[in-house]
Amino acid sequence: EVQLVESGGGLVKPGGSLRLSCAASGFTFSSYDMNWVRQAPGKGLEWVSTISDTSRYIYYADSVKGRFTISRDNAKKSVYLQMNSLRAEDTAVYYCASDVVAAGTGGYWGQGTLVTVSS
Amino acid sequence: SYVLTQPPSVSVAPGKTASIACGGNSIGSKTVHWYQQKPGQAPILVIYYDRDRPSGIPERFSGSNSGNTATLTISRVEAGDEADYYCQVWDNNSDHWVFGGGTKLTVL
Repeated sequence: EVQLVESGGGLVKPGGSLRLSCAASGFTFSSYDMNWVRQAPGKGLEWVSTISDTSRYIYYADSVKGRFTISRDNAKKSVYLQMNSLRAEDTAVYYCASDVVAAGTGGYWGQGTLVTVSS
Repeated sequence: SYVLTQPPSVSVAPGKTASIACGGNSIGSKTVHWYQQKPGQAPILVIYYDRDRPSGIPERFSGSNSGNTATLTISRVEAGDEADYYCQVWDNNSDHWVFGGGTKLTVL
């Protein structure tokens, strides 16, 4: 069974940093791209970042480029999102998603972790 | 940047057919994916590559894509289909995923 479990969310002050983790199981992690998608309270889905299977290709939304860094450790079957210079508008539930079902999709999603940026 | 436009809401009676549109410039030349999200839950992929269904998704869910509009169609709608639905594409001009704003499906 495919499972994705996010962790690392919490309350942080504006300008602060946070590192999210997503632990994967139930599939060959090293063969698939991984993504982070966020959802602000009461709002729609917003793509944040994608990292390819070998980390060769990395993409960011304009809203986080230069502040967030995605990475992965295939040996640990985990993907990470380092978030710096956090702003109030970064407050959201952050989901990791894999494209196990089909390339370019979020075939499987974790349950999400809440990040709240507030003073 | 590429924009996907969805109606904010669609209402349908049980047993009827619901159609949710996703508009975008020449979206027919892209591959479209659809997600269902119920309150408090993570999204679930219901249609990928315009019209394919993941394992476990009922045949009542179907998709099409042509011209400037992609459509998610739910036949014989059930109360359990009430949810938010999002379309998504990969914009290869910007190397970005793009989501539509979402459509709230209400089953009357």
